[in-house]
Order: sequence, then structure tokens, then C-alpha cells
Amino acid sequence: GAGVSQSPSNKVTEKGKDVELRCDPISGHTALYWYRQSLGQGLEFLIYFQSNSAPDKSGLPSDRFSAERTGGSVSTLTIQRTQQEDSAVYLCASSFRTGVHNEQFFGPGTRLTVL
Amino acid sequence: AQKITQTQPGMFVQEKEAVTLDCTYDTSDQSYGLFWYKQPSSGEMIFLIYQGSYDEQNATEGRYSLNFQKARKSANLVISASQLGDSAMYFCAMREGRDDKIIFGKGTRLHILP
Repeated sequence: GAGVSQSPSNKVTEKGKDVELRCDPISGHTALYWYRQSLGQGLEFLIYFQSNSAPDKSGLPSDRFSAERTGGSVSTLTIQRTQQEDSAVYLCASSFRTGVHNEQFFGPGTRLTVL
Repeated sequence: AQKITQTQPGMFVQEKEAVTLDCTYDTSDQSYGLFWYKQPSSGEMIFLIYQGSYDEQNATEGRYSLNFQKARKSANLVISASQLGDSAMYFCAMREGRDDKIIFGKGTRLHILP
């Protein structure tokens, strides 16, 4: 079956504009995660969705960042009034269910460049 | 406090040698899982190996093994007989039983020398 897909693969935007990044998890996966990876850095947790639970938004860096997950499947990460420091690769991952032994499957990422 | 600590920002290893990538973690949960991921220059994240906190045996997957020392809260990745294709960033991660969130370390960049 298909893996995690993300779109667009690359996004170049001007400072101050809003952007939307999309993630399509693996079918049947109940958990969905967003991470941010700045150049040469590790993964910074942003937000986590689990079916039937309130999302864990503890990693969102500011109120310019928001995310939603519709119908327990597709997720959209929205960044409003983008800043240059938002430039990074945004990675989405999904896992089959809860439980410590379930590894995440990652999408290819969206590379965001804010000019 | 850092939940996952990878103390080696970069390593250079001769091809065919074994390499150990360090990872220590911090949790008060009894139930947790530890993961290692590889990120080549292409940017994809590749799952390598998993160790559960209740697993008595060290996990192994081909040339990868996880040296799990629970009392020391250590989960080092061992790659045997390294290959040029092993050059990549390696991330250690932990999933705690309390909230299912997975936290990553800052990574170790491994360079395999011919």
C-alpha cells in the first residue's frame, strides 16, 4: 500500500504570507505527527493527533501555527504570516495505533522556504 | 531537561568496522519504547530498530543491534561491518507510555570512510 504522502514537496513563499501543508497518512493509521527539521538539525515535535483524543499541540512554536485533521485521516498544517525562521522541512509521520511499540512511518517532507 | 541525548554530533568510521552510536534517555515511565531512525542525504526517515522497555533481549535487525542498558537508561545503536551506504544522520527516539508522543534526539552524523 501507499506510504505517507505530503504536498507540496517544495514551497517558496514571501514573508507574511500564509501557507498550508498537507499530509496523507497511511490508511488505517490512527496517529499522525508533525515535525519540523531545520537545516542540519534534529526533529522538533510540533503536534500529534490520535483518533478520539484532543490533539497534543504542546510543540507548536507560536500561535501562527495551527493544524487540523479531518475525518481522522488527512491533516493540514497552516502557518500564518510566515517568517524567515519558519524555513525548514516539515515532516509528517503516522503510526498504526497507540502503544509504545508502534514505529512511525514518515512522509518525504515539505521543504518550506520563506523569502 | 532533554529526554533523548545523543552526545556525538559527528563520527568518522572506516568501512567494515563496527560502530556504536550513543543514546541516553530520561523517563520516569515504566513502559516506553526506543527507536532508531536513519536519515540519508535524500532526507527520508528510515526506521531501523525498536526496543521495548520490557524486552529482556537486545533487539537485532540484520547488521543493526541495540545495546539496551536499562539501569543506565542507555540505548546505543551498534552497526556491524559498516558500509559506505551507512553514511547518514542517525536519530534515537523514545515513545513514552503516558502520551504516545515520540521525542527525537538531535542526531549523530555518521561518515563511513572507504
